[in-house]
Amino acid sequence: DAGVTQSPTHLIKTRGQHVTLRCSPISGHKSVSWYQQVLGQGPQFIFQYYEKEERGRGNFPDRFSARQFPNYSSELNVNALLLGDSALYLCASSFGVEAFFGQGTRLTVV
Amino acid sequence: GIQVEQSPPDLILQEGANSTLRCNFSDSVNNLQWFHQNPWGQLINLFYIPSGTKQNGRLSATTVATERYSLLYISSSQTTDSGVYFCAGDPPGGGADGLTFGKGTHLIIQP
Repeated sequence: DAGVTQSPTHLIKTRGQHVTLRCSPISGHKSVSWYQQVLGQGPQFIFQYYEKEERGRGNFPDRFSARQFPNYSSELNVNALLLGDSALYLCASSFGVEAFFGQGTRLTVV
Repeated sequence: GIQVEQSPPDLILQEGANSTLRCNFSDSVNNLQWFHQNPWGQLINLFYIPSGTKQNGRLSATTVATERYSLLYISSSQTTDSGVYFCAGDPPGGGADGLTFGKGTHLIIQP
């Protein structure tokens, strides 16, 4: 079975631009969560979606948004990019209580 | 929210050595997990261990939920064990707040 897949794996954006990151959960998993990991820190929770509805939101500005589609895949959108948004963005899916992570998208804002 | 403290922050060992990594929580947590982050950034699941002890090969973990800590044991270390180890858990009341991670233990195994 395929694990959690994320795309793209790397991308470079300019300050002020918008970015969309994508995540496909493990087959059968209905919950998807997004995390941001800056260098030297542990991942920090951004959003959780379950059955296409937002179930939780971390302490991130409104520039960050997400959605989940009928096939349970998800997108994370970030508007008006700042240099500080440079990070590894991780997606996790879960069926019950255990979370499984994708390989991440490494975003660099220049 | 809960605070997660991991120790030690850095650990350098020779191949074949044993190690113990610790994770302390400021409050009760649900769904405690241990992860290994490989050099490419992916978080690899090691254990889902809300309480008790589990073993998987050279790795084992113990969580004492009443005392709010968990331990990860690595025996007979190999160079491929190098990387960052994270523990994480949900705050009480459900998982809608996501997992709270520690800052990790950076483990280097030298040949």
